Order: sequence, then C-alpha cells, then structure tokens
Amino acid sequence: SQTIHQWPATLVQPVGSPLSLECTVEGTSNPNLYWYRQAAGRGLQLLFYSVGIGQISSEVPQNLSASRPQDRQFILSSKKLLLSDSGFYLCACSRSPETQYFGPGTRLLVL
Amino acid sequence: KQEVTQIPAALSVPEGENLVLNCSFTDSAIYNLQWFRQDPGKGLTSLLLIQSSQREQTSGRLNASLDKSSGRSTLYIAASQPGDSATYLCAVESNYQLIWGAGTKLIIKP
Repeated sequence: SQTIHQWPATLVQPVGSPLSLECTVEGTSNPNLYWYRQAAGRGLQLLFYSVGIGQISSEVPQNLSASRPQDRQFILSSKKLLLSDSGFYLCACSRSPETQYFGPGTRLLVL
Repeated sequence: KQEVTQIPAALSVPEGENLVLNCSFTDSAIYNLQWFRQDPGKGLTSLLLIQSSQREQTSGRLNASLDKSSGRSTLYIAASQPGDSATYLCAVESNYQLIWGAGTKLIIKP
C-alpha cells in the first residue's frame, strides 16, 4: 500500500523567507500527486496537482509553486512567504478510482 | 464549479447517541464521494468511499449514503463514543481533483 512522507512536520518561518516542502511516495508508481492547504477555520483547498513528471496544474493564483522532478517526488516552494501562507499543508496521491492517500502534513507558521 | 457544503459546522452530543452529518454538492457529475476523519495534529483518515454508481457504504458503526441526483450524502454514526470526536470532512472527486467541504467538528461528551 501507498505510504506518503512529508517533511518537515512543522515549520516556523519569517515573512519574506523562502519555502520548500517535500513529499515522497512509496508503494506505487505513476501516481497522481496533490498539494492541499488547510488554513485555520477553513476546509482543505487544492493548490496543485500533477499527473506525471514535470506536469503541474495550479488551481489558485498565489505566490507558491510546485515541481515534480521525479515520479514519486512532489515539492512545494515559495520565494517569499506571506503571512497568509500559514496553514496545514497536505500531500496526497491517488491512482483513481482508488482512494486518495494523504501524508501526515506539514504545519507552517509564518511570522 | 463544484462546491461542497457540510452542515452542521460543529456538533456536540452525549455519548451513545446516533447522529447524522450532512454533505451537499452542487454538481452531480462526480466520480466518487469520500468521508474523512481529521484528528488534531494528524493526517487525514479515509473512512468511507462511495463510487458514483453506489448508494451507500458501511464500515462498523459508520454508514454513508449517496444521492447524486439531489447532490447529498450523509454520514450516520451509531452509538457514538468519545473516541469519535474529530473533524469529519466530505470530499467529492471530479476530474482527478478532490473538492472538499469545510468539515463538521464533532464532540462526543462522556
């Protein structure tokens, strides 16, 4: 079965600093990969999804970017963090029609 | 554009009660619908997945129903326990994307 690793688990960063969150997947190949964000008091928001290496689709305009350098690696980045970037970031994978599997998440606090 | 709404936003009930959580969606063209549980500080746990061709799924004390034509799903929890306290999220899958509700925060009082 799929296992998703995310790191770091928690992160505190100052406004304006760069960001790099990494997600790796084990136990499957050629998965669809997703980055979600959950801000305080709100539902999960889809940020990016990828159906293959180098293929990234963005759902919302923002100062974040994503890359997929390898089949089972998905990276979320920012050049300059904003206060509004604080939240809980979840990586997920799926091979539909199977269930999406989620990683443990990264809690980001931007100060 | 698909939108998912969950009602109520929060619910507090005594232990032992049966309860129903509601989820509605605006576009019936879904691939499947899932119910998740989110515990503080942990990843999501998938509870039940209902394919678009199915009407309901059951797992232990949980039963989820799906009515695509009316854009509704319910999660029924029987004989609630304090360990059921968590936030319950509903999500529909369309075009390889999950559209999420805001969740229902459930508190079961001992």
